[in-house]
Amino acid sequence: GGIITQTPKFLIGQEGQKLTLKCQQNFNHDTMYWYRQDSGKGLRLIYYSITENDLQKGDLSEGYDASREKKSSFSLTVTSAQKNEMAVFLCASSIGGKDGQLYFGEGSKLTVL
Amino acid sequence: GDSVTQKQGQVTLSEDDFLFINCTYSTTTYPTLLWYVQYLGQGPQLLLKVTTANNKGISRGFEATYDKGTTSFHLQKASVQESDSAVYFCALVDWMDSNYQLIWGSGTKLIIKP
Repeated sequence: GGIITQTPKFLIGQEGQKLTLKCQQNFNHDTMYWYRQDSGKGLRLIYYSITENDLQKGDLSEGYDASREKKSSFSLTVTSAQKNEMAVFLCASSIGGKDGQLYFGEGSKLTVL
Repeated sequence: GDSVTQKQGQVTLSEDDFLFINCTYSTTTYPTLLWYVQYLGQGPQLLLKVTTANNKGISRGFEATYDKGTTSFHLQKASVQESDSAVYFCALVDWMDSNYQLIWGSGTKLIIKP
């Protein structure tokens, strides 16, 4: 089996700061995703990537950048952290297509002071 | 566009109770339908999946049946345990912007009273 590793697990930043979250997968999956989950809420797609160097915007991409320089890694940058941004950011990967099975990491919890 | 609706934000049961979590969907295609479970402190994980080839999914005592007539995909379990406490998400695979994407329901939190 494989694993999704997200770093850091906890990230504390100041309002206005640029913050980066990293994600690694060893499934050799083509497609990777970043989701945001606010406390007690559902999942909202920020960015996804169907192959190395590809980036596709999700519904929540404003205020975020993403980068997929290698097949195994996908990073997400909060360009200017806001206090209402406190949430858990979840990375996932999949084989893509109609399969629908995503493998998620444990999440990175962002706190903005 | 396509959508998934979970009307129950939270369900509270006692051990050995019957579980029913409602999910309805709207799509013009024949979708792949999925249930994910998210335990506290973890990412969601696939619980079961149903495609047009098989209209029922069963896993770990949970089952869901794909009903095209009522466009529903409800999750059921005969007898819940405390370890089933989690958030359950219904989802469908949709073709959007030249790619397959997941459309997620808002989630139903299951609380099992010991």
